[in-house]
Amino acid sequence: DAKTTQPPSMDCAEGRAANLPCNHSTISGNEYVYWYRQIHSQGPQYIIHGLKNNETNEMASLIITEDRKSSTLILPHATLRDTAVYYCIVRGPYNTDKLIFGTGTRLQVFP
Amino acid sequence: EPEVTQTPSHQVTQMGQEVILRCVPISNHLYFYWYRQILGQKVEFLVSFYNNEISEKSEIFDDQFSVERPDGSNFTLKIRSTKLEDSAMYFCASSREGGGTEAFFGQGTRLTVV
Repeated sequence: DAKTTQPPSMDCAEGRAANLPCNHSTISGNEYVYWYRQIHSQGPQYIIHGLKNNETNEMASLIITEDRKSSTLILPHATLRDTAVYYCIVRGPYNTDKLIFGTGTRLQVFP
Repeated sequence: EPEVTQTPSHQVTQMGQEVILRCVPISNHLYFYWYRQILGQKVEFLVSFYNNEISEKSEIFDDQFSVERPDGSNFTLKIRSTKLEDSAMYFCASSREGGGTEAFFGQGTRLTVV
């Protein structure tokens, strides 16, 4: 599985967009980018995933660069409840079922 | 919204004792997982289970660990002889398919070995 690099921490003002970057320069052609978050030692929560096209759901948007070497998770209007550790995970669809969690980005949303 | 349920939320056990952690995955899911997180550390994969057998396991998942789906709804993790270093949050997860689909996690069982 490709390795990912994320900043250890970020701050965001409530109501503003939170843009969380992830580098995955060794990603291969059939590997997806997944985003999960973990709010204060609760179970990880799925947010979104994508292969090469940008994706949007009710929680967030995922922007993947054309070369697929990096991506950005966007929380369009961050709230205090979005304070969490955000994990960017790269995984192939066929070679494994497991998720490999790194240290993620600790996002602090402040009032 | 369907969710993965884990019981108990907190278990305290003496070193050397056996523990069973229980999970009820989402009902139409076919793939089941256990992960653990030692306090302050990363979430670590333990095992995946599909079609009544282990499909993948990590080096953490040694002979002291076993998993079972005894009745078609529960999914259990047994630790035969607990050690102090088994103290962690244990998360169960399930997914509708393997590989490329999202996994849904339970809220975890905090295991404390004393």
